[in-house]
Amino acid sequence: QVQLQESGPGLVTPSETLSLICSVSGDSISRHYWSWIRQPPGKGLEWIGYLYYSFNTDYNPSLRSRSTISVDTSKNQFSLRLTSVTAADTAVYYCAREFGARGYFDLWGRGTPVTVSS
Amino acid sequence: DIQMTQSPSSLSASVGDRVTITCRASQYINDDLSWYQLRPGKAPKLLMHAASALESGVPSRFSGSESGTEFTLTISSLQSEDFATYYCQQSYSEPRTFGQGTKVEMK
Repeated sequence: QVQLQESGPGLVTPSETLSLICSVSGDSISRHYWSWIRQPPGKGLEWIGYLYYSFNTDYNPSLRSRSTISVDTSKNQFSLRLTSVTAADTAVYYCAREFGARGYFDLWGRGTPVTVSS
Repeated sequence: DIQMTQSPSSLSASVGDRVTITCRASQYINDDLSWYQLRPGKAPKLLMHAASALESGVPSRFSGSESGTEFTLTISSLQSEDFATYYCQQSYSEPRTFGQGTKVEMK
């Protein structure tokens, strides 16, 4: 059974860097596409970016300049770094699997809430 | 970016009701449309892809259809576990974009 679990600090100071980890069990991080998606309070879902085949990445243009997705294959984890955060980055952050390159997300983590506040 | 417009943003319904949610794309997206169910405290769930292809394990009361750039999610007979927020998502072009969601609440 494939499971995804997000982890990271629930509170980040404005202008600092948000760092999250997604731990994957039951599947290899070297296969498929692995995404980060977020949902600000009261708003819809926003795709942040993905990692595919361990080393390739692509990002939503709206967040590309501040986002980095990387992988730790030894731990079967991938991570998100979002720099220069503001209150607008307050959201529930999800990691998700995109099976192959089919464009949709067939498995998700439960999400981790992140608040940007001083 | 392709804009996905969902309607309504919320609706109230009772168990047994037929519920319809609409998602309109700002341009042609073929049938590259998926639907998700979000419930508090649970991992989001993929209901269907390719507009109408039901995922394994999803009850048959859920169905999807398309007409041009308009897509519809129908729940034929609402059950208690279906009270949730539903999102559409296009995968025709990047960035992948979602609708704003439709919250299905108990009447």
